Amino acid sequence: NAGVTQTPKFRVLKTGQSMTLLCAQDMNHEYMYWYRQDPGMGLRLIHYSVGEGTTAKGEVPDGYNVSRLKKQNFLLGLESAAPSQTSVYFCASSEQGGGTEAFFGQGTRLTVV
Amino acid sequence: SQQGEEDPQALSIQEGENATMNCSYKTSINNLQWYRQNSGRGLVHLILIRSNEREKHSGRLRVTLDTSKKSSSLLITASRAADTASYFCATVGYSYSGAGSYQLTFGKGTKLSVIP
Repeated sequence: NAGVTQTPKFRVLKTGQSMTLLCAQDMNHEYMYWYRQDPGMGLRLIHYSVGEGTTAKGEVPDGYNVSRLKKQNFLLGLESAAPSQTSVYFCASSEQGGGTEAFFGQGTRLTVV
Repeated sequence: SQQGEEDPQALSIQEGENATMNCSYKTSINNLQWYRQNSGRGLVHLILIRSNEREKHSGRLRVTLDTSKKSSSLLITASRAADTASYFCATVGYSYSGAGSYQLTFGKGTKLSVIP
């Protein structure tokens, strides 16, 4: 099993460019999450989804959009990248939201110049 | 704002010693989880403790939960150099906004260094 796979692993963007980060899971999990990790800030929740076709805002949603058209995929979009969005992005999934562990991808290191 | 806050932010110990990390949180929770992150890698789940549990063990790991104090601790016994990593607590609570759902919220982590 691949688990949770993030694409791409590294990316450099110019300010104002757009891009989409793809997260794919093969565990048939209902919940999926996007986090960003910055030095000294830990992981902060951007958006999450409780099932196919649903999305919800987390702690730091501004500047990001998400879609979950298929249960196995959760897309994170940056419409107009800003240097403040330079970060490491992690996707995670869990069977349910309430009482099960989350499985993480290996991360996407994004630099906006 | 983030739910969990770990203490200390950094911890350095000798191999064979025990390592204790603490986590405090603000609101009621369904359960609390601990994760480990090796440098530059994704997080790996270590242990989950439910709100009606007080203590849980898994190998060299011991987790306690005190819901009256809104705090948890992670004890790693007989530490090894391979335990060097960052450790995060994560709380699972119910959010009533929108349709209502559970959220998994992380703290800032404790960076553990185990010196051989």
